[in-house]
Amino acid sequence: QKEVEQNSGPLSVPEGAIASLNCTYSDRGSQSFFWYRQYSGKSPELIMFIYSNGDKEDGRFTAQLNKASQYVSLLIRDSQPSDSATYLCAVTRGLEGNEKLTFGTGTRLTIIP
Amino acid sequence: GAGVSQTPSNKVTEKGKYVELRCDPISGHTALYWYRQSLGQGPEFLIYFQGTGAADDSGLPNDRFFAVRPEGSVSTLKIQRTERGDSAVYLCASSFSYSGGNTGELFFGEGSRLTVL
Repeated sequence: QKEVEQNSGPLSVPEGAIASLNCTYSDRGSQSFFWYRQYSGKSPELIMFIYSNGDKEDGRFTAQLNKASQYVSLLIRDSQPSDSATYLCAVTRGLEGNEKLTFGTGTRLTIIP
Repeated sequence: GAGVSQTPSNKVTEKGKYVELRCDPISGHTALYWYRQSLGQGPEFLIYFQGTGAADDSGLPNDRFFAVRPEGSVSTLKIQRTERGDSAVYLCASSFSYSGGNTGELFFGEGSRLTVL
């Protein structure tokens, strides 16, 4: 079992719709959770992080965490063509992220104009 | 520069050769990470430095891989006797650390693409 699992996609969503990206993790000791966006040929950049169970909203992005189910998700509202990228879920045991970050394989998202 | 700088951006080498990849982190960032990424995969953790010391080198695949950060800033990833399976993009990231922890946000460089023929 992989430490961090994501559906590789591709996931196609019409422009303006909600894109839903999911991630499960195996290490129950994980305490910090991150979503990175990676455009083709570019390096990853942080979108959101979440530490506590529940929802965290930042603009069009909402991260959801359920530690009991070992599940993290990212919702993108009002999807734009510029949101087309690979989204990487990452987890760490460190509460402040001071331990290694383990990434999933990423979900490729395409927003259809 | 303002961001993480990695050199070379591209390296083509022959099987069995020695390779060095360099990373210059963001000024003031004490934590430095090396990852490698193969096509269609997420970044795979290799090693993490806190200051000059390797805090976690559990991701180095074997003893052909070694990394140093002698002055707590620039880091070099060294690969001996390269194999075709070492071909990947090697990503360096740095992070601001305070009071022994950090914010969790990694700032990545653009990577060094290594091709072993």
